[in-house]
Amino acid sequence: GAVVSQHPSWVICKSGTSVKIECRSLDFQATTMFWYRQFPKQSLMLMATSNEGSKATYEQGVEKDKFLINHASLTLSTLTVTSAHPEDSSFYICSAFSGRGADTQYFGPGTRLTVL
Amino acid sequence: AQSVAQPEDQVNVAEGNPLTVKCTYSVSGNPYLFWYVQYPNRGLQFLLKYITGDNLVKGSYGFEAEFNKSQTSFHLKKPSALVSDSALYFCAVRDLNRAGGTSYGKLTFGQGTILTVHP
Repeated sequence: GAVVSQHPSWVICKSGTSVKIECRSLDFQATTMFWYRQFPKQSLMLMATSNEGSKATYEQGVEKDKFLINHASLTLSTLTVTSAHPEDSSFYICSAFSGRGADTQYFGPGTRLTVL
Repeated sequence: AQSVAQPEDQVNVAEGNPLTVKCTYSVSGNPYLFWYVQYPNRGLQFLLKYITGDNLVKGSYGFEAEFNKSQTSFHLKKPSALVSDSALYFCAVRDLNRAGGTSYGKLTFGQGTILTVHP
């Protein structure tokens, strides 16, 4: 299957700092990338959808000024958690999709964020 | 709105026995259905999908799933379970109904089923 990479795989930061997470589709062009958040032993919660070259669409309840998403190219999307607080600690997973209805959505390995 | 239900939070089977992880769905149009597996502290790995055609879909690692339109189900199966199959399994459906507005193209996930295969 297609490969989606995510970096870093884990990060620990102090409260108030910003953290950037990169998501790359390595062998296909991802017109759409999704960012999810997952709490322990729970399903994935969609945070936002980003299409290459346009502004991200955020799900209800997700603060767009706190979770900045950039999708500058067909292979790269970034999520920046601004002024992180302990409640932002979570497992963040990105996913890349070609945009064609029958195609598979592939997921990155996830980033474990811990805010102290 | 579309939805997916995985009625079992946990499934326990003995190694070598067949396994089934259940999934039912609700969509307004034709369903695009997916199964993913997640190992601890990892992202989701794609197992298989149903788009159209044969109701029995074969996927990775010996898994297969049967699409049943009348029962709106897409149960995941494997004839002989391995201890290494122990993981968290997610069923998902893609919304291709443009009347769904902003949910178009997005995956809706079930709550997940923890599969434990005992030696």
